[in-house]
Amino acid sequence: DAGITQSPRHKVTETGTPVTLRCHQTENHRYMYWYRQDPGHGLRLIHYSYGVKDTDKGEVSDGYSVSRSKTEDFLLTLESATSSQTSVYFCAIRFLVAGTVEGGEAFFGQGTRLTVV
Amino acid sequence: EDQVTQSPEALRLQEGESSSLNCSYTVSGLRGLFWYRQDPGKGPEFLFTLYSAGEEKEKERLKATLTKKESFLHITAPKPEDSATYLCAVPNSGGYQKVTFGTGTKLQVIP
Repeated sequence: DAGITQSPRHKVTETGTPVTLRCHQTENHRYMYWYRQDPGHGLRLIHYSYGVKDTDKGEVSDGYSVSRSKTEDFLLTLESATSSQTSVYFCAIRFLVAGTVEGGEAFFGQGTRLTVV
Repeated sequence: EDQVTQSPEALRLQEGESSSLNCSYTVSGLRGLFWYRQDPGKGPEFLFTLYSAGEEKEKERLKATLTKKESFLHITAPKPEDSATYLCAVPNSGGYQKVTFGTGTKLQVIP
């Protein structure tokens, strides 16, 4: 599992409350990603990080923020949760292609199922 | 716009009945194509990376192939334990940092 741990695994929260999901890795990978997965949409990138304090937006970043103060931790925050953010959230790390600084295949955490009521 | 389309959406096979899954893509300057397997309630699990047209990779009953416009995942004599959703993904035209995923093919293998 490439040493990736997501927490919590399940969460139910109320509309309008802030929520933070945590992704922890043990292998010092540079690239870390947050995706959401919804029926009919597949995996969609929310935010990613390419180093400590270096982050960038993905295709569905509105309503989400991230922080990476340490190599091993990548936090995803829903600033004010809405029902449309009910989803399964996956964290991933990417290995570098051998001999390059570019990302190759990704390894995913087990996911966090978030329900906003 | 980078796009990845997988077909069929769902496939039901009898045990031992070979078939293929398709992943077609539109991206400028392909820099690799990834195949993943996802079991219910779990994160995707990496299977293969293909980098150039004509390349093939195998793992047990799975073989992935790549052309300039699509990739196939061939499943030979599948078993019930091969039942899963299979995802393909390609790095975006702008570089490796972002990856576009297809919506997957849900495979069910019946004993």
